[in-house]
Order: sequence, then C-alpha cells, then structure tokens
Amino acid sequence: AQKITQTQPGMFVQEKEAVTLDCTYDTSDPSYGLFWYKQPSSGEMIFLIYQGSYDQQNATEGRYSLNFQKARKSANLVISASQLGDSAMYFCAMSFTGTASKLTFGTGTRLQVTL
Amino acid sequence: GAVVSQHPSWVICKSGTSVKIECRSLDFQATTMFWYRQFPKQSLMLMATSNEGSKATYEQGVEKDKFLINHASLTLSTLTVTSAHPEDSSFYICRGFDRSEAFFGQGTRLTVV
Repeated sequence: AQKITQTQPGMFVQEKEAVTLDCTYDTSDPSYGLFWYKQPSSGEMIFLIYQGSYDQQNATEGRYSLNFQKARKSANLVISASQLGDSAMYFCAMSFTGTASKLTFGTGTRLQVTL
Repeated sequence: GAVVSQHPSWVICKSGTSVKIECRSLDFQATTMFWYRQFPKQSLMLMATSNEGSKATYEQGVEKDKFLINHASLTLSTLTVTSAHPEDSSFYICRGFDRSEAFFGQGTRLTVV
C-alpha cells in the first residue's frame, strides 16, 4: 500500500528566505505522481507542482521546486524567497496510473512566514 | 478556464436534517469525481469515488447510506449528508477528473448544530 509521510507539523521561515518542506513516500509501484498543494485558511486546495516518477529532471514552477530523490523516495518542496502570503498548510500527495487519479495525502505542514 | 464550482461554501444545519453539496465542472467534463473530507487540523481523507452514470465506490469505513453520492452527468456531482449529526461537521471538498486534468472545488464547511 502507498504511504505519504510529512514529518514536520509546523515550520517557520523568515520573509525572503528559502524553506524546504519534507515529504517521503512508500510504494512498490514504478509509475506514480507526486504533487504539492497549498491550503490557505479559506480551505481551497491550490496546486503548486507535480513530479512524475519517470521524469528525469526536478520539477520547477516559479518560486517552487521539487527536490525529487527517487532512490530515497523523497519529494521535498523548496520555496525560494518566501513571502508572507506563503503562510498556509502544505500537503504532499501521491497518485498512481497517471497524473490525475486518486490522490493520497500526507498529514501536512503548517508554514508560517515571519517578518 | 476549467474549474470545479462547489456550493455552498459553508452551511449550518440542525442535527437530523440532510444537506446537499454540489460540484459542477465548468469548461470540462468530469468523468470521475473524488469526494474528500477534512477534519480540523487534519489531512484530506478520500470518502468515495464516483464515475458518471454509475454507483460510487466508497472507501472503507465510509457509510454509503449516510453519504449519498450522485454523478448523473459529466458536469454535476452531488454529495448528500443524510440525517446529519454534529460529528459530521467537517470540510468537504470535491475533485473532478477528466482523464488528463483534475481540479478541486472550493470546499464546503459543514457545521451541524
């Protein structure tokens, strides 16, 4: 069975600094996708970045990058130049058989950006 | 652009009543709709998966008679919480999927008093 682990319940980062949010996963399936979502207090789920298990390069989307280490089964999210608006819950999620099938979520990390 | 519009965004209801939550896919056809529940300070847990025109598949531990899911068309899926009780108070969110892309609804915060 697949499992997603986020070991950091909460993180603080100073504005303009970079921060890494950890995510490890466990699966025996060779084909899978890894997602990161941001959930502000409003509750909406905002898609940030996606990494496919066969992708050779780490995914990047603006200030977001995914540090994908397949052998270690980790998919950490790196946010560069943090902004106050980045304060939110961040969820790592995993899917199988393509990019948009059923998602299994980690427990989340609450990020607080300080001045 | 393609989105999933979820309504209502919040609802307060009396214990014992039923509440219907709608998710409409706009500018795309959601062949599959995933329904998630999120308790405060917890992660999203999949409740059920529905495919247009067929019965929903419920995750283990989710009462199908309590959480009625209808996916009668490619653009509308509904979740009805029947005989709601305070323990059903939660954040419910849908995710529509059309084989190539997926979009979350905005979520519904249900409070049962």
